[in-house]
Amino acid sequence: EAQVTQNPRYLITVTGKKLTVTCSQNMNHEYMSWYRQDPGLGLRQIYYSMNVEVTDKGDVPEGYKVSRKEKRNFPLILESPSPNQTSLYFCASSRARDAHSNEQFFGPGTRLTVL
Amino acid sequence: GDSVTQMEGPVTLSEEAFLTINCTYTATGYPSLFWYVQYPGEGLQLLLKATKADDKGSNKGFEATYRKETTSFHLEKGSVQVSDSAVYFCALSGGFKTIFGAGTRLFVKA
Repeated sequence: EAQVTQNPRYLITVTGKKLTVTCSQNMNHEYMSWYRQDPGLGLRQIYYSMNVEVTDKGDVPEGYKVSRKEKRNFPLILESPSPNQTSLYFCASSRARDAHSNEQFFGPGTRLTVL
Repeated sequence: GDSVTQMEGPVTLSEEAFLTINCTYTATGYPSLFWYVQYPGEGLQLLLKATKADDKGSNKGFEATYRKETTSFHLEKGSVQVSDSAVYFCALSGGFKTIFGAGTRLFVKA
């Protein structure tokens, strides 16, 4: 089954404790992206990757890091989480060719709470 | 910068009512426009899209037309069902970035 998976689905942590949210897709997509969803703000793009070893900032990259060492994986790293990073996070992927017109496939989401 | 504005919710309708959710955008260039739907506890899934002016996207009885002159992409459905209850997001993509609206929650009563 074609899918995007995220782990963990739920996470409660404390300020300053480094964490990684994993994202993996099995559709051989070149393009992957991370979003955060907050009430009243919709989804905001954190980082995206056009292909292996190619990443760029979205609209809200502060406090986050990403890496793209393999095509299927795109982990999101919070080096020193803070309470304002409490949010619902989504990973998505799509084919990169004509990326702007392609459908994005979303993972099920990771609900993160930073105390 | 680019932006998407959609009507605030929640929108509450009775079954079989007509639905319109307004979406307007500002963008440089010629973006593609999308409607995504999010059911409770799930990720977003594509509902429909349009990639150029005057294109009409349609799926599952929903329709939206890419209007460049009014910079709009309003979502419509002639007869909603209880199963259409969800959050609907309008989005634009021009290149590798995607901008989403704030989302509109729809409740449909039996």
